[in-house]
Amino acid sequence: GAVVSQHPSRVICKSGTSVKIECRSLDFQATTMFWYRQFPKQSLMLMATSNEGSKATYEQGVEKDKFLINHASLTLSTLTVTSAHPEDSSFYICSAQALGETQYFGPGTRLLVL
Amino acid sequence: QKEVEQDPGPLSVPEGAIVSLNCTYSNSAFQYFMWYRQYSRKGPELLMYTYSSGNKEDGRFTAQVDKSSKYISLFIRDSQPSDSATYLCAMSRINDYKLSFGAGTTVTVRA
Repeated sequence: GAVVSQHPSRVICKSGTSVKIECRSLDFQATTMFWYRQFPKQSLMLMATSNEGSKATYEQGVEKDKFLINHASLTLSTLTVTSAHPEDSSFYICSAQALGETQYFGPGTRLLVL
Repeated sequence: QKEVEQDPGPLSVPEGAIVSLNCTYSNSAFQYFMWYRQYSRKGPELLMYTYSSGNKEDGRFTAQVDKSSKYISLFIRDSQPSDSATYLCAMSRINDYKLSFGAGTTVTVRA
């Protein structure tokens, strides 16, 4: 099956710093990538959708200046949490989708902001 | 009312039992149905993907879709302790890439 990787798997940072998370599709070209956030014992919440070479589309209530998304190529998307605060601590999961296919998820990145 | 309803459980069964998981939905526009398995602190893993009413079988897993009742199910036969995880149903509309997820059901298979 399709493989999606994320890096780092876990990050701890100080409040006020920025954190970048990478999402890569390893064996297919992803026309669309998605970023989700998941709180403990809750389902996935879609944050934004990105298509290669164009600006991301953010879901209602998600601050685009806070969560910067770049989809530089058909195999790489990055999420940057700017000026992170403790309330941004969460499990961030990306998924990637080839045209006409379903979404395949990455292993997730656990962010802890102190 | 949520678009997709899923009993969060938890569900505990003995090894070898059949696990039955269900989701209901309210929007008849949903045409694609998926089941994901998520282990603790990991990303969801696609188990089953269907787009028509009826049954689809893959090894110990059977996915069932009843569009007339807006009801989908996942059955796990001969359950193993390694099946202990959270199972998420998800669905999408035609030509719409967004997935609508259920809340997830946590399953524990006791050895």
